[in-house]
Amino acid sequence: DAKTTQPNSMESNEEEPVHLPCNHSTISGTDYIHWYRQLPSQGPEYVIHGLTSNVNNRMASLAIAEDRKSSTLILHRATLRDAAVYYCILWEEYGNKLVFGAGTILRVKS
Amino acid sequence: DAGVIQSPRHEVTEMGQEVTLRCKPISGHDYLFWYRQTMMRGLELLIYFNNNVPIDDSGMPEDRFSAKMPNASFSTLKIQPSEPRDSAVYFCASKGGYEQYFGPGTRLTVT
Repeated sequence: DAKTTQPNSMESNEEEPVHLPCNHSTISGTDYIHWYRQLPSQGPEYVIHGLTSNVNNRMASLAIAEDRKSSTLILHRATLRDAAVYYCILWEEYGNKLVFGAGTILRVKS
Repeated sequence: DAGVIQSPRHEVTEMGQEVTLRCKPISGHDYLFWYRQTMMRGLELLIYFNNNVPIDDSGMPEDRFSAKMPNASFSTLKIQPSEPRDSAVYFCASKGGYEQYFGPGTRLTVT
């Protein structure tokens, strides 16, 4: 399974944007970039995914580098409820396994 | 839909006892996954099913662990006999498209 590298932790102020980076230098052409997050005492939940183009949904935006070796999850206005562990995962086009790394612990200050 | 349902939410048992964790996936989803989460090892995939058939059980730690999916709406993960090192949160997830939906988890404590 291709690997991703994320910072162990990040901190943000409430109401400010947050940029969560992810490096995936060994990504293959058919790997999708998925982001999940895990709120305290809950199971992980899907945030967003993309292949080559930048993606937006109601939760976040995903910016993918042109060479696809890195990506950034963008929370446009962090709230206290966004405090969670964020996982960046590479998903093979026809695969079904999510391989979770350590993720990034996001702390949001009021 | 109520989402993925897991029971029990908490289980405390003594070493050597049999433990059965249960999962009801989201209706219509054709994939079901069992994960285990500990502080030391993070979130690990144990086994997954497609259309009730086990596809990959390479993450099952040893023969004490077994999983079944007798029909599309029910799966079990059994540990027999249980050991203290099995203490963890066990998550079930189901998938119908590209997104996995996780249940709330079962916190297992083996004393």
